[in-house]
Amino acid sequence: EILLTQSPATLSLSPGERATLSCRASQSVSSYLAWYQQKPGQAPRLLIYDASNRATGIPARFSGSGSGTDFTLTISSLEPEDSAVYYCQQRKTWPTFGQGTKVEIK
Amino acid sequence: QLQLLESGPRLVKPSETLSLTCTVSGDSISNRAYYWAWIRQPPGKGLAWIGSVYHAGNTFYNPWLESRATISVDVSANQFSLRLKSVTAADTGFYYCARSTVTTTFDYWGQGSLVTVSS
Repeated sequence: EILLTQSPATLSLSPGERATLSCRASQSVSSYLAWYQQKPGQAPRLLIYDASNRATGIPARFSGSGSGTDFTLTISSLEPEDSAVYYCQQRKTWPTFGQGTKVEIK
Repeated sequence: QLQLLESGPRLVKPSETLSLTCTVSGDSISNRAYYWAWIRQPPGKGLAWIGSVYHAGNTFYNPWLESRATISVDVSANQFSLRLKSVTAADTGFYYCARSTVTTTFDYWGQGSLVTVSS
């Protein structure tokens, strides 16, 4: 089983600031990593697939990078609606998810 | 517009079987480009993939749940289903159905169904 560790657990930033979320895999997942956003009471939404590709309809302020074991989701300029929990997910083997990073907007 | 909708009992007794169905609209479940998946989330916790099914009936499962989970597909009804046997309180949570590309990226999700295991 590939374990994904996300950091930090919580990120508290102001609108307009840059958010940097980390996901580290217990072994290489190549570029087979996705990011999801989940708002309270909602299902997750796909943001990024294969490490750096934005899903359909996702704003350009969301970007992903990394390969191997270390990955980053960047939100270049936070909007109030970006308040959510963000999960990474690998598909190198059977799918597993990280434990999530909560982004709070001050 | 693709939509997925979970349905089934919201309360299940310990040791019994949890059964959920996902009805797909806006796409054919026979679309060869996709698998159909179940994912769950205990309240306030993270996500766990349960398993996936292809329209031809091929399935693959989370090794930790494989002994208790069965996922099946009904192409004529454009539905797929989950059965999870011998449930305990640890199986309480939101159960989501989702569409998965063949590369197991989950691009569309249902709204989720909260299932509680309690006597």
